[in-house]
Amino acid sequence: NAGVTQTPKFRVLKTGQSMTLLCAQDMNHEYMYWYRQDPGMGLRLIHYSVGEGTTAKGEVPDGYNVSRLKKQNFLLGLESAAPSQTSVYFCASSRVRQTTSSEQYFGPGTRLTVT
Amino acid sequence: GDSVTQMEGPVTLSEEAFLTINCTYTATGYPSLFWYVQYPGEGLQLLLKATKADDKGSNKGFEATYRKETTSFHLEKGSVQVSDSAVYFCALSRSAAGGTSYGKLTFGQGTILTVHP
Repeated sequence: NAGVTQTPKFRVLKTGQSMTLLCAQDMNHEYMYWYRQDPGMGLRLIHYSVGEGTTAKGEVPDGYNVSRLKKQNFLLGLESAAPSQTSVYFCASSRVRQTTSSEQYFGPGTRLTVT
Repeated sequence: GDSVTQMEGPVTLSEEAFLTINCTYTATGYPSLFWYVQYPGEGLQLLLKATKADDKGSNKGFEATYRKETTSFHLEKGSVQVSDSAVYFCALSRSAAGGTSYGKLTFGQGTILTVHP
């Protein structure tokens, strides 16, 4: 089991460029999430998905788009990168539970710098 | 809205010292509470959790008790090791309307712990 994997691990973009971050999980989890981590601010939810073909906005969705065409993959896109999107991006997944106590499993992160 | 506040770091301790990292929260209803740990260069992993008032979560010598009266979930360890050096995040998860949880987590800002030999 690889768990949650993310590609790429590092990326440098110029302002205005686009890119897609890929998250893959092999645990057959229904729920998937994209977070960004900034110094002193913890992790903030960008978008999430509760199943294949569904997506929803999180706390900080502006400037990002997502797609969940396959259950195991969750893609995060930046159409026109801005320096404010310099951050570390984490993907996570969890099982379906009708409770609040489900554990989320995190990928190793993607460090993105926008110049 | 929901929020989590952690004590500011960084925290620097000597090996075998006692550790406390404070965490308080604001949320309606009865959230579940978590501590996640992030070791250098890695993603977050669950350290412990508690789902109702007075529950104690424990793992790897770490403990935290869900205190509803003080809205707190402080992390403690009696004797830290160099290998405990990491960033620690307190988080909560609250049911959305209708009782269905999408498992969305609200995180504190994280506390950097450094343990010296």
